[in-house]
Amino acid sequence: SAVISQKPSRDICQRGTSLTIQCQVDSQVTMMFWYRQQPGQSLTLIATANQGSEATYESGFVIDKFPISRPNLTFSTLTVSNMSPEDSSIYLCSGRDRNTEAFFGQGTRLTVV
Amino acid sequence: AQTVTQSQPEMSVQEAETVTLSCTYDTSESNYYLFWYKQPPSRQMILVIRQEAYKQQNATENRFSVNFQKAAKSFSLKISDSQLGDTAMYFCASGANAGGTSYGKLTFGQGTILTVHP
Repeated sequence: SAVISQKPSRDICQRGTSLTIQCQVDSQVTMMFWYRQQPGQSLTLIATANQGSEATYESGFVIDKFPISRPNLTFSTLTVSNMSPEDSSIYLCSGRDRNTEAFFGQGTRLTVV
Repeated sequence: AQTVTQSQPEMSVQEAETVTLSCTYDTSESNYYLFWYKQPPSRQMILVIRQEAYKQQNATENRFSVNFQKAAKSFSLKISDSQLGDTAMYFCASGANAGGTSYGKLTFGQGTILTVHP
């Protein structure tokens, strides 16, 4: 089955700065998604990363705060912009192809101080 | 719209015993999938089992099985012969049917922390 490599695994960032998280899939996938998992809570979908076009954001998430790129069918990035302590979470990317269910990267644990 | 509810924040079980995790859901989709994912301390989300909503037969994967009650919108996970490696957070999730798989855009429940004791 396909594997997603997500990095960084963890980071501690200063408030007001930005962090870009990368996900690399070892094969082409039709769909990629980004989730946020706040401490002790469930996963919430941030957006669907669309190849070659703007991402589709869920209610409560905006492009200025979480810009997403997907230049090809194997790679996507999520940037967390102008960070505040409330952005401290685990961020996960997932991929899905026609013959597979959603599979996930290892997650990025972000702490904003 | 889809909602998934897990009412058990924490569960514990002795090694080799059986435990059942509960999940209820609501969805506006006419055709959908239900899933159980496992998240150990490593944070890696691992698919445990999935159920197609239009199939009446309950899914089974080795020690893991589900009890799918469509009318009651209930989808519980039974883990038999529990092992120490089963210790993890378990998430129930739903997703629309894309024909053979879900679209991949999933709605998750709040999670249940399962601890298996030796």
